[in-house]
Amino acid sequence: DAKTTQPNSMESNEEEPVHLPCNHSTISGTDYIHWYRQLPSQGPEYVIHGLTSNVNNRMASLAIAEDRKSSTLILHRATLRDAAVYYCILLGSGNTGKLIFGQGTTLQVKP
Amino acid sequence: NAGVTQTPKFRILKIGQSMTLQCTQDMNHNYMYWYRQDPGMGLKLIYYSVGAGITDKGEVPNGYNVSRSTTEDFPLRLELAAPSQTSVYFCASSRGGGVTLSNQPQHFGDGTRLSIL
Repeated sequence: DAKTTQPNSMESNEEEPVHLPCNHSTISGTDYIHWYRQLPSQGPEYVIHGLTSNVNNRMASLAIAEDRKSSTLILHRATLRDAAVYYCILLGSGNTGKLIFGQGTTLQVKP
Repeated sequence: NAGVTQTPKFRILKIGQSMTLQCTQDMNHNYMYWYRQDPGMGLKLIYYSVGAGITDKGEVPNGYNVSRSTTEDFPLRLELAAPSQTSVYFCASSRGGGVTLSNQPQHFGDGTRLSIL
């Protein structure tokens, strides 16, 4: 599976939008881009995933660059509950589904 | 809707003891996974299963065993506990079963925090 690169940490103010970047320059054409988050002392939680087009769900939006070498997870209005480690993970078509977690981005939300 | 349920939530073992971490899911998912997470680190895959009766090793299988006799249950067995197995263990599941697996989200349990002294 291709590697992803994320900033170690980011800060945001409550009720403001947050844009979490992820670089994946070696992505292959069949790799899906997945985002998970892990709140303190909890298991990882699925956030969103996509292949080529931008995706929206009740939790977030995923913006995928046209060349697919980068993507951005967008939280439209950050809340204190959104403070977590966010992981950007690529899953290829031949994958058994195993997720390879890197260091992720630790998001701090200030009241 | 319970999702993925893990028991126990916490456990302290002595070196050399054995135990089974339980995992059950009620979503009729074919694929199930066991991960461990050491402090400050990402998750690492221990074992996974693509369906009842089929299991395979992940990145860090040494010291562990699994079985999958039903679709719902995927227990993880530690035979001779060692201090290096002190970790948080997460079970996860995803749909699988003919759909593109890389297009499926994984659902995680809340974890079992295991300390071996």
